Amino acid sequence: QLQLQESGPGLVKPSETLSLTCIVSGGSISTSSYYWGWIRQPPGKGPEWIGSMDYSGITYYNPSLKSRVTISVDTSKNQFSLNLGSVTAADTAVYYCTRQFSHAISSGRHVFDSWAQGTLVTVSS
Amino acid sequence: QSALTQPASVSGSPGQSITISCTGTSSDIGAYNYVSWYQQHPGKAPKLMIYDVSRRPSGLSSRFSGSKSGNTASLTISGLQAEDEADYYCTSYTSSSSVVFGGGTKLTVL
Repeated sequence: QLQLQESGPGLVKPSETLSLTCIVSGGSISTSSYYWGWIRQPPGKGPEWIGSMDYSGITYYNPSLKSRVTISVDTSKNQFSLNLGSVTAADTAVYYCTRQFSHAISSGRHVFDSWAQGTLVTVSS
Repeated sequence: QSALTQPASVSGSPGQSITISCTGTSSDIGAYNYVSWYQQHPGKAPKLMIYDVSRRPSGLSSRFSGSKSGNTASLTISGLQAEDEADYYCTSYTSSSSVVFGGGTKLTVL
């Protein structure tokens, strides 16, 4: 059974870069059937899509975050990562790594069928 | 982009049916049949309940169903059960090449 687990610091200083890694177990990240991505949820608010990537490096980013976001994949370690630069307090949220269907994703079909438990990242000095 | 509009809360008694609405625009819900619904219990990750407007993931109870009319999507839960009490979020693809979530609806089972 597929499992996703985030790892990374829970506290990041303003203006620095938030970096998280998602370790995938119970399945290979090198599959054309799925994309891998990140979603965040500020405390008490609804989720926000950050971006998605497949194992070959094709990426889709939220236009509102695109200038600050990089998602990368390491197939040798079966994991993928998120870097979010120039963070502010508004970036404080629970960050989830996810798996999503790849079929028709280029047409906008973003379906997040598996989620990790989430990790709280606080931006504060 | 603006979030999709959902009622803040809905409630129902066990065995009853409830419907949660999700209102967007002609640039998101009205333009694409890519509406999904997620259930989130407190302190847990969201769980996919409905995708492509009305499709259920394998193994999900048929008590959950989805539909769409114009710029508004709906999630209906029939035969309400105590474990259905949770927050529910809708999502849609948008013409600005993004994915937008609703603000969430808290379902209370009385």
